This record gives sequence, structure tokens and C-alpha cells, in this order.
Amino acid sequence: AQKITQTQPGMFVQEKEAVTLDCTYDTSDPSYGLFWYKQPSSGEMIFLIYQGSYDQQNATEGRYSLNFQKARKSANLVISASQLGDSAMYFCAMREGEEAGTALIFGKGTTLSVSS
Amino acid sequence: DVKVTQSSRYLVKRTGEKVFLECVQDMDHENMFWYRQDPGLGLRLIYFSYDVKMKEKGDIPEGYSVSREKKERFSLILESASTNQTSMYLCASSTPRGWYQETQYFGPGTRLLVL
Repeated sequence: AQKITQTQPGMFVQEKEAVTLDCTYDTSDPSYGLFWYKQPSSGEMIFLIYQGSYDQQNATEGRYSLNFQKARKSANLVISASQLGDSAMYFCAMREGEEAGTALIFGKGTTLSVSS
Repeated sequence: DVKVTQSSRYLVKRTGEKVFLECVQDMDHENMFWYRQDPGLGLRLIYFSYDVKMKEKGDIPEGYSVSREKKERFSLILESASTNQTSMYLCASSTPRGWYQETQYFGPGTRLLVL
């Protein structure tokens, strides 16, 4: 079974609109971290936002927020006021457990296209 | 700012060649990772290292080896390149500040084409 599921292969949004990118995860470990990365066409992976499993509040970073619903095992990324530069592929990732140095498990990504 | 660099953005090699992909980070991070990215498959972990001269296999280590002689440098080696190793290779590094703060930072990637 997939540990990270991103069900939207592609999303289209107009500039200045908000968009939600879905991510569900599967783990039995009570300690885990959830991450979102952005990958523009140039290829580099840019870290956007992080949510820990014990965090009480949803994480926010500028125009990015993470809608964390623990019981539903979902960690959706919300981008407010989309910009043309937000067009990219977005990956949700998880790290399980409390051991340092463990690798991330990535979803297959969602391509976001922002139009004017 | 964290800086992770990779030796080449684009690389074209022939089947059977030995290929070295280099990754350097300047933030004194203990952990370094090599992933490959393929369309429809997302990122998959090849190898990682949590200290100098230490390495751990990831999900798809076959056909690859790694070397970490210095803390800042992590090399991925394709001993005999094959066409199914044509892919995007991404290097990442992190520091173990406690699992919930351990963010991985990525390099720009190397697009490798094996002919």
C-alpha cells in the first residue's frame, strides 16, 4: 500500500485564487513529520512547509498553509492567492519515527498550473 | 541559506560507462541522500549516509554504489551504466536536530541520459 497518496495528477487555477492540493498518508507510527515540496520545471526541489504529528496547530508559511486532519490522515496544502510562479509540481512527503536521518517517503506529485 | 550543489545539471553517457555524480553541501549536515525521480513514480531513495564513511541502502540500491569520504561530499556511482538508469538524480542533505525539525534540502538535480 502506498504510504503517501496524492490523488490529483493535475490542478488548474486562475491567478489570485486559492487552491488545495490533496495528500493522504498511511502510518501506524505515532511520531511522524509531513512535508510539502515544490519542484519547478528547472528541477530543484524547494521545501515549502512542515507539520509534525504532535503539532496542535496547522503550519503556515506565508501564502502556504497545511490543513492537517490527523484522524483522517490527511495533510492538504493550501496556497492562497495563487501566482503564475506557483506553476510547478508539488510533492507531499512523510518521515516516520523519531530516529534521526531517516529518509522521506514521497507521493507521486501534483502538477499545478496557474493561468492569468 | 542551505546550499546543496550537484556537479552536473545534464549528463549523457554510454551504456557500460562508469558514472560519478557528485553532491556537495555547505551546511555541515550529517545526513545526505540520493534519490532518483521518474515520471509517474515520484522520488525513490537509492542510498543515504548519516556520517562519514557510513552508508545505508534505500529502496532501489541495485546498480549503484556510494562514497562519503568527507562530510560535505556524497558521491553516487553507477559502476556500469545501463539505459534503465536514465533518470533525474536528486541529492539532499539534512541535520539531525530532532526528527520533527529534520528538513531535507535538495540540490538542483542531474538529468542523466544513458545511450
